[in-house]
Amino acid sequence: GAGVSQSPSNKVTEKGKDVELRCDPISGHTALYWYRQSLGQGLEFLIYFQGNSAPDKSGLPSDRFSAERTGGSVSTLTIQRTQQEDSAVYLCASSGRGAEQFFGPGTRLTVL
Amino acid sequence: GNSVTQMEGPVTLSEEAFLTINCTYTATGYPSLFWYVQYPGEGLQLLLKATKADDKGSNKGFEATYRKETTSFHLEKGSVQVSDSAVYFCALTSANQAGTALIFGKGTTLSVSS
Repeated sequence: GAGVSQSPSNKVTEKGKDVELRCDPISGHTALYWYRQSLGQGLEFLIYFQGNSAPDKSGLPSDRFSAERTGGSVSTLTIQRTQQEDSAVYLCASSGRGAEQFFGPGTRLTVL
Repeated sequence: GNSVTQMEGPVTLSEEAFLTINCTYTATGYPSLFWYVQYPGEGLQLLLKATKADDKGSNKGFEATYRKETTSFHLEKGSVQVSDSAVYFCALTSANQAGTALIFGKGTTLSVSS
């Protein structure tokens, strides 16, 4: 069965450029999460979508970060005017009725 | 706020040694507790979980018991293998935060040699 998929797997960009990261959750999962994994900060929660409810954006580090989830399925995380400190692995996870979250392989973002 | 503290690594062991990775937490209410594992080059995988006090989660020879009195969820394995080499993350979820968003510890790297 298909797990959570993310694209691209690697992204190298220049400082100041915008990037979009995509997440395809497991079919039927209503909850979707974005996390960031970096050397200095470990694993940090960014944003959470549940069904049709307004997303919880409490973990977004700045207003340069935004995310949307279209049709209750695919999600896109957008980082505007990237900075070097945005370099990290961005992880997406989804969950169904239970609390277990299933993680995708991540997108490694490098900002030069 | 809610937080997770786990022992810093790296932890280096010989095959068949006993493993303990300590994890303590701070949370309001009644959190659920998890251990996730990240093998080299792979994504995060749930290793085990416990949802209430005194529950024991177990999988692949690993165990952890939810201790509310000591706010701990230490990971143990009686005999580690080289294939257990990975980064281990302790985590919790709480009804007081976004949905069931996970709060992670900083991870402990385990290296097992033959």
